[in-house]
Amino acid sequence: ILNVEQSPQSLHVQEGDSTNFTCSFPSSNFYALHWYRWETAKSPEALFVMTLNGDEKKKGRISATLNTKEGYSYLYIKGSQPEDSATYLCAFIDSSNTGKLIFGQGTTLQVKP
Amino acid sequence: DGGITQSPKYLFRKEGQNVTLSCEQNLNHDAMYWYRQDPGQGLRLIYYSQIVNDFQKGDIAEGYSVSREKKESFPLTVTSAQKNPTAFYLCASSRVGGYEKLFFGSGTQLSVL
Repeated sequence: ILNVEQSPQSLHVQEGDSTNFTCSFPSSNFYALHWYRWETAKSPEALFVMTLNGDEKKKGRISATLNTKEGYSYLYIKGSQPEDSATYLCAFIDSSNTGKLIFGQGTTLQVKP
Repeated sequence: DGGITQSPKYLFRKEGQNVTLSCEQNLNHDAMYWYRQDPGQGLRLIYYSQIVNDFQKGDIAEGYSVSREKKESFPLTVTSAQKNPTAFYLCASSRVGGYEKLFFGSGTQLSVL
C-alpha cells in the first residue's frame, strides 16, 4: 500500500493568521495530487488537482504548490477565517493505476475568532 | 440538481447480518468509489469501478461486495464476514482519469447493534 502522510494532524490558529501544511507522497511514479476540503457535516469538496512538478494553484486565499521530485505538496491559507475550519485531505495517484486515489489522514484546521 | 446521493444516513447492523449501502449519481460519471473512514484515519479505498459491469478491489475489500449494473448506481454490501464494520462510509464519483476531481456523497454511518 502506498504511503501518503499529512502533517500536522491538527492545527489551531487565530483569525487572521496565515498557515500551511504538508502532504508527503512517493516521489516515483507520480501522476497527480488532489487536495480536498471537508467541513463538518458536509461532503468533501475538491480544491485543486495538481499534475506537474512546480505547479502552483490558487483559489481565493488558499494556494498549493507541488514538488514531485522530492514528493511533497504544501497547502497555504492566507489570513485564516473561521469558515476555513475544516479537515484538509490530499490524495496521491500513482501512474501505474490512475483509477485509484490514495488519501492521507488529513490535517484538521481550527480557526478561532 | 446534479449530484451524488447516499442512503441511508444512519444504518444499524445486527451480528451476522448483511447490509447494503446505496449510492446513486446523476452526474453521468463513469467512475465510482467507496471509501471508509475510521476516527483518526484517512479515507481508505474499499472498491472502485471505472465502467459498468466492472470493478476492482481497493486496499480493504475483505468483507465487502459491490455491483455496477447501471452507470448511475454503485451499491456496497457489508457482509457478515466484515468483523469490524462500524465506520463512516463515503461514496464518490468522477469522470475517468486521475486528473478528474471526485464528487462525494454525504456519507452513511454504519453501527453494529
